[in-house]
Amino acid sequence: GAGVSQSPSNKVTEKGKDVELRCDPISGHTALYWYRQSLGQGLEFLIYFQGNSAPDKSGLPSDRFSAERTGGSVSTLTIQRTQQEDSAVYLCASSSGLYNEQFFGPGTRLTVL
Amino acid sequence: QKEVEQDPGPLSVPEGAIVSLNCTYSNSAFQYFMWYRQYSRKGPELLMYTYSSGNKEDGRFTAQVDKSSKYISLFIRDSQPSDSATYLCAMKGVTGGGNKLTFGTGTQLKVEL
Repeated sequence: GAGVSQSPSNKVTEKGKDVELRCDPISGHTALYWYRQSLGQGLEFLIYFQGNSAPDKSGLPSDRFSAERTGGSVSTLTIQRTQQEDSAVYLCASSSGLYNEQFFGPGTRLTVL
Repeated sequence: QKEVEQDPGPLSVPEGAIVSLNCTYSNSAFQYFMWYRQYSRKGPELLMYTYSSGNKEDGRFTAQVDKSSKYISLFIRDSQPSDSATYLCAMKGVTGGGNKLTFGTGTQLKVEL
């Protein structure tokens, strides 16, 4: 289909390792968002990209988290030196404009042992 | 205190029942209100999007907003087993903050035969 895709669907890693999570937005969508969903915490905003503007990184919990979006399309969320509290589902969403409906991908379930 | 409060449930109802799901919020800057449905191991999907105080109906779903009380509701009529999912309220302001959403923790709903 033409929805938002994310990879991998599941990732198990050891504490201290780096991980990269990938998001492929809907083709033509200019805005891309990352959220984190922890048990009992709901979805927590991390970062969003809109076109060529500087990303809004206000939701990143620490400097171990970073994200980039190459060519205005695919985005990678990187978590360095993972900690057990980073275990969560990481969701990506895209929208056709900054104020339009956000379509979510299925998420990447990250488990840090 | 969280900006958005939502009873996590679980809420179990018989098929055909009317379901009432609610969120309260503290930030008066929130002006747009959404309800998302999330099936297990899937990303959230948008159900309802409202701006004004009052009711908005779409099929079996009615979204209600009371800005003076900072209270929003989602009603599901003639509930079906296929409605079993987690329901998330989300909201955002008009100015600033781009399109990032603030979510409730979600209410888990089970509709039983």
